[in-house]
Amino acid sequence: GAVVSQHPSWVICKSGTSVKIECRSLDFQATTMFWYRQFPKQSLMLMATSNEGSKATYEQGVEKDKFLINHASLTLSTLTVTSAHPEDSSFYICSAPRPMTSGGADEQFFGPGTRLTVL
Amino acid sequence: AQSVTQLGSHVSVSEGALVLLRCNYSSSVPPYLFWYVQYPNQGLQLLLKYTSAATLVKGINGFEAEFKKSETSFHLTKPSAHMSDAAEYFCAVSKNSGNTPLVFGKGTRLSVIA
Repeated sequence: GAVVSQHPSWVICKSGTSVKIECRSLDFQATTMFWYRQFPKQSLMLMATSNEGSKATYEQGVEKDKFLINHASLTLSTLTVTSAHPEDSSFYICSAPRPMTSGGADEQFFGPGTRLTVL
Repeated sequence: AQSVTQLGSHVSVSEGALVLLRCNYSSSVPPYLFWYVQYPNQGLQLLLKYTSAATLVKGINGFEAEFKKSETSFHLTKPSAHMSDAAEYFCAVSKNSGNTPLVFGKGTRLSVIA
């Protein structure tokens, strides 16, 4: 089946530093990827839609200058948490729709997630 | 707008008993509905999905769900619970099968008692 990877799987950083999280589609090309955030014991909330070759689309309430998204290739999207603070500690999960030859996408595949802890 | 309500944040069943996890949705367009399972500190695994074909959908690990438009429900069931089924389960809705982001319910934690 299709595979989406994330790196790193967990990261601990000091307050004020920046952290980059990578999301890769390993065996298909994804012009779109989605970034979700999951706080402990809560559901996944969409943060932004990453679009290859263009600017990301952010959900209401998500600071685009704090959560920088770069979709530089058809298989890689990165999320950079800038000047991280303890309240940014969360589980970040990406997903990528697998395109169909007939157009559209048949399914989204989720990465394993990245656990960010900001001290 | 689309939304999902999962009734019961925590469900506990005995091993071998029926599993029933409830999900109700709201959608202004014909919905695509999904059930995902999440094990601790892991990503999401698709259990099954409804994409406007058969209303009774069979998934992996013996799970199935029935789409009931009149009740706006998509409850997840499994005839006999196994210890390995203990996990967090999320119901989600989307406008299509893959191209648009999913709207998730708050999740239901399933515990299986030996």
